[in-house]
Amino acid sequence: GQSLEQPSEVTAVEGAIVQINCTYQTSGFYGLSWYQQHDGGAPTFLSYNALDGLEETGRFSSFLSRSDSYGYLLLQELQMKDSASYFCALSHGGATNKLIFGTGTLLAVQP
Amino acid sequence: EAEVAQSPRYKITEKSQAVAFWCDPISGHATLYWYRQILGQGPELLVQFQDESVVDDSQLPKDRFSAERLKGVDSTLKIQPAELGDSAMYLCASRLRGGGNEQFFGPGTRLTVL
Repeated sequence: GQSLEQPSEVTAVEGAIVQINCTYQTSGFYGLSWYQQHDGGAPTFLSYNALDGLEETGRFSSFLSRSDSYGYLLLQELQMKDSASYFCALSHGGATNKLIFGTGTLLAVQP
Repeated sequence: EAEVAQSPRYKITEKSQAVAFWCDPISGHATLYWYRQILGQGPELLVQFQDESVVDDSQLPKDRFSAERLKGVDSTLKIQPAELGDSAMYLCASRLRGGGNEQFFGPGTRLTVL
């Protein structure tokens, strides 16, 4: 089967940098995606890593290491609005791009 | 800005009743997904359509759940009969054919089964 593990909660202060880790088990996948979900809201796409290494999108960066079955999302210059749940997801690509989501990490940004 | 539409936003029902949820994906998006998200967990794929065809329903409890996308546009997810354990958020998402890895999610339907 496939599974993804994330820390359940992370707390950080405004302006700081925080890293949310994701470890996974799978027999094969195309890439690792990250989604943000505010309380009561819809998940929104943040980032995708098809290859090993770092992808940067504004204040957010995502990293993938296939050899270590590990990835992370890095959030810089934290803002109060970044308080949300963050999910990593294995992407199976192809025509249908099936996603298998992780357990989610609740990020609380404090003033 | 184009969005995925879902209705109703909230639904309260009693166990053994039938419920139905509707989703209208972003125009032109060939792939449509229904997910179930239990509070505190990640979304779990229930069923996936490519145009009007089901391409993955391996996690759909077929004894009580059904889904259709007759004309390859909007879609309906039905539960009959509802059980207490079905209380969850039901999310619909869509993706443009060949449009990369991003899935666009709707606001969801929060189902409470009493």
